[in-house]
Parts: sequence; structure tokens; C-alpha cells
Amino acid sequence: GAVVSQHPSRVICKSGTSVKIECRSLDFQATTMFWYRQFPKQSLMLMATSNEGSKATYEQGVEKDKFLINHASLTLSTLTVTSAHPEDSSFYICSARAFPGANVLTFGAGSRLTVL
Amino acid sequence: QKEVEQDPGPLSVPEGAIVSLNCTYSNSAFQYFMWYRQYSRKGPELLMYTYSSGNKEDGRFTAQVDKSSKYISLFIRDSQPSDSATYLCAMTARGNEKLTFGTGTRLTIIP
Repeated sequence: GAVVSQHPSRVICKSGTSVKIECRSLDFQATTMFWYRQFPKQSLMLMATSNEGSKATYEQGVEKDKFLINHASLTLSTLTVTSAHPEDSSFYICSARAFPGANVLTFGAGSRLTVL
Repeated sequence: QKEVEQDPGPLSVPEGAIVSLNCTYSNSAFQYFMWYRQYSRKGPELLMYTYSSGNKEDGRFTAQVDKSSKYISLFIRDSQPSDSATYLCAMTARGNEKLTFGTGTRLTIIP
């Protein structure tokens, strides 16, 4: 079946540093990937839509300079949290449409970021 | 009013019982309906999806969509402790890439 791989699964960093999270589609090509954020016991919040070969589209209220998204190939999108602060600590999850013609998303396992 | 309403629970049922999870929605343009299962500290796992109205069955899981009532359901038969998780409904309109999620229902199956 279609698999979206996300790495790292957990990362701890110091305040002020930058962290990169990778999202790969393992057995399919994804021209579009989606990055979500999830706070404890809450539902998923769409942060941005990552488009291969072009700029990402950010949701209202999401700082594009804070959350840099690069979608350099059909199987890889990266999210970089720049100058991370404790309030950026969260669960970040990427997803892609793995079923051609169906508007259905397959999610990665998520990356838990803790900023000290 | 939220576009998608889902009872957050928590819902506890004994092992072997039939579980019914539901979502209601207000946007009549929604055509794709999904159910995801999310274990603690993991990404959501797609359980089932349906397009438009009707029923779909996969093993112990049955998804139902009633577009006239704007109501979707997920039934779990012969529930197992391993089914304990948060279940999220999600939906989207044709041609719209963005999913709208319910808040999720926390389900616990008691052995």
C-alpha cells in the first residue's frame, strides 16, 4: 500500500536553532504534500500545502518565514522550523494523496518536536 | 457552527461490542468521506473512504454516508482492545484539496 515516511519521529532542540523534518512518498509520486500540526488532544490543523517545483501555500496565520517548506522532488518535501522557540513544540504530520483520482490523504507517522 | 461536528467522547465499550462513531456536517459540497484511526503519538491511519452516499465494508469496519442527512458513521464489529484509539472523520469537496476534520472521538475498548 501507499506509504508516507516521515523523519525524524522525535527531535529535541535548543531554543533558537532550526530543525528540518523530511516527508517522503515511498511508492508513489506526490506533486502535492500537506503539512499539519497537532496539539495534544486536538485535531489536525493544516499549516501549508507543499507543491513540487513551486512555492508552498500557507494557511492564514502560519508564518512562512518561520516554517520553510521545500518540495524539491516528486517524492520529498521538507519542513524547516527556523529559530525554534518552546511554543513551536508540537506534533508535525505530513500527508499526500496516494490514490489517483481520489481526494483522500495518507499520513506519515508524525514528528514530535520539543524545543527546550 | 463548525463545518464538521464530532462527539469527542471519551467512549468506552466492552470488548466484543459494536461501536458506532458518527459525524455530522453542514457543507453539502462534501463528496469524499474518510475515517482515520490515530493511536497516541502516531500519525492518522486511513481506515476507509467513501465517495458520495452509500455503505462500504472492510472486515470488521463499515462506513455509511447519508448525504441527505449530512451524516456519516463508522461501525466497528467485534471490537478489540487494539481498536482503542482516536477516530477522526474527514471530508472534502470534489476538486478541493483541503480536508476538513472532525475533532476526533477517543475510543477505549475494555477487555
